[in-house]
Amino acid sequence: SQQGEEDPQALSIQEGENATMNCSYKTSINNLQWYRQNSGRGLVHLILIRSNEREKHSGRLRVTLDTSKKSSSLLITASRAADTASYFCATGVQGAQKLVFGQGTRLTINP
Amino acid sequence: GAGVSQTPSNKVTEKGKYVELRCDPISGHTALYWYRQSLGQGPEFLIYFQGTGAADDSGLPNDRFFAVRPEGSVSTLKIQRTERGDSAVYLCASSLGGTGFYEQYFGPGTRLTVT
Repeated sequence: SQQGEEDPQALSIQEGENATMNCSYKTSINNLQWYRQNSGRGLVHLILIRSNEREKHSGRLRVTLDTSKKSSSLLITASRAADTASYFCATGVQGAQKLVFGQGTRLTINP
Repeated sequence: GAGVSQTPSNKVTEKGKYVELRCDPISGHTALYWYRQSLGQGPEFLIYFQGTGAADDSGLPNDRFFAVRPEGSVSTLKIQRTERGDSAVYLCASSLGGTGFYEQYFGPGTRLTVT
């Protein structure tokens, strides 16, 4: 079963705009990771945020984590056509090494 | 360096047949994971190896599924008596493992189609 729920399920914006995706989860976690997937194949790791962190940056990416609300957000600034992909949040559940993925947000950047 | 590789990239098999899917992890990564992804869904965990042993196989759907990692590097996912519902992309990932929690690096996947 999948723990995370991404919101929105699909997002379409113009190139240059910012894109925000949200993720909610249910159980206690030790970390949360965001991945990008193109064309339904391999996932590319974007960023990992640990449960004791609140915000993390990597290039044009900004991730926040609110463990009290069991939610995270991914912000992509100054979007590019190449950012078109599906984005998944995945939680590292306490006491286990596996990742539990949400259903993803399909992001489309229009030129 | 080389990433995670998976072979074959595509596999078409008839219902009831046996298939093997192979994963070569990143060199030096002691942890290896198998996930399965159906169309429009996120990946679902199948099994996790730490070294040669299966540390968590709670995601294997039934006893038709089995995985091995005999030398702590390459892993093979084996599916017996395949069913149409087994059709999916099978993803392998590896990580440094050990204590704490590390980023998982995914291979390109094997798309399995059972006809």
